[in-house]
Amino acid sequence: EAGVVQSPRYKIIEKKQPVAFWCNPISGHNTLYWYLQNLGQGPELLIRYENEEAVDDSQLPKDRFSAERLKGVDSTLKIQPAELGDSAVYLCASSLGRTSQETQYFGPGTRLLVL
Amino acid sequence: AQSVTQLGSHVSVSEGALVLLRCNYSSSVPPYLFWYVQYPNQGLQLLLKYTSAATLVKGINGFEAEFKKSETSFHLTKPSAHMSDAAEYFCAVSPIEENTGNQFYFGTGTSLTVIP
Repeated sequence: EAGVVQSPRYKIIEKKQPVAFWCNPISGHNTLYWYLQNLGQGPELLIRYENEEAVDDSQLPKDRFSAERLKGVDSTLKIQPAELGDSAVYLCASSLGRTSQETQYFGPGTRLLVL
Repeated sequence: AQSVTQLGSHVSVSEGALVLLRCNYSSSVPPYLFWYVQYPNQGLQLLLKYTSAATLVKGINGFEAEFKKSETSFHLTKPSAHMSDAAEYFCAVSPIEENTGNQFYFGTGTSLTVIP
C-alpha cells in the first residue's frame, strides 16, 4: 500500500513569490494534517482536516497561508506571498480516524527555501 | 496545555551500547504517547505507541519504551545500538480529552549518533 505522497520534494523560490504544496494521503484515511517543521525542531500543526472540513486551523497564519481539501482526499497548502522565515519543511500526515490514539502516517515532506 | 520535553538534543553511543532517549510529558491526565524516527530527508516513521494497555511497549527495530505514570515519562530504549539507528527521534503526545481530535504535540527531538 502506498504511503503519504507529497510533491514537490524541494522548492526554491524568491521572497514574495507564491508557492503550493500537494499531498495525497493514504487511501481511506479521512483525517489529514499539515505540519511545519523548522530546522532542529519537532513538527507543529498548521491545519487538520476531517474529510473536507478544516476542523483545526488555529495555528495557520491566515494572512498568507491557505489550504484546501476539496473532495476530502488530496490537499493543497499555499503560501502567498512567501517570506524568508517560511523556509522550513512542510509535512503532510494522515490517519484513518480522528481519535486520540490513531497513528499519524507522515509523508517525506517538502523542503522550502525562500531566498 | 500539553508539553513534551526531550532531555538531550544530541545523544552519542557506541555501536552495541545501550540506547536511552528520554521523554517527559506534562499533563494531569496521562496522554497517549508515541515515538517517531526521522531519517535525513525523510518523513517521520512510527516506532511504537502507548495507548493505555501494557506499560512496556515493544516497537520496530528492537526499540521499546516504558510508560511510568509516577515519573510522567516514556523513555525509549534499545539494548544494542546499530549504525542504522543514527537518526532524529521525536516523542509525541496526544491528549485523551474528548473533542480534541487527534492532536499531536511533538518534542524538539533527539539526534542519535552511533559511533563505530
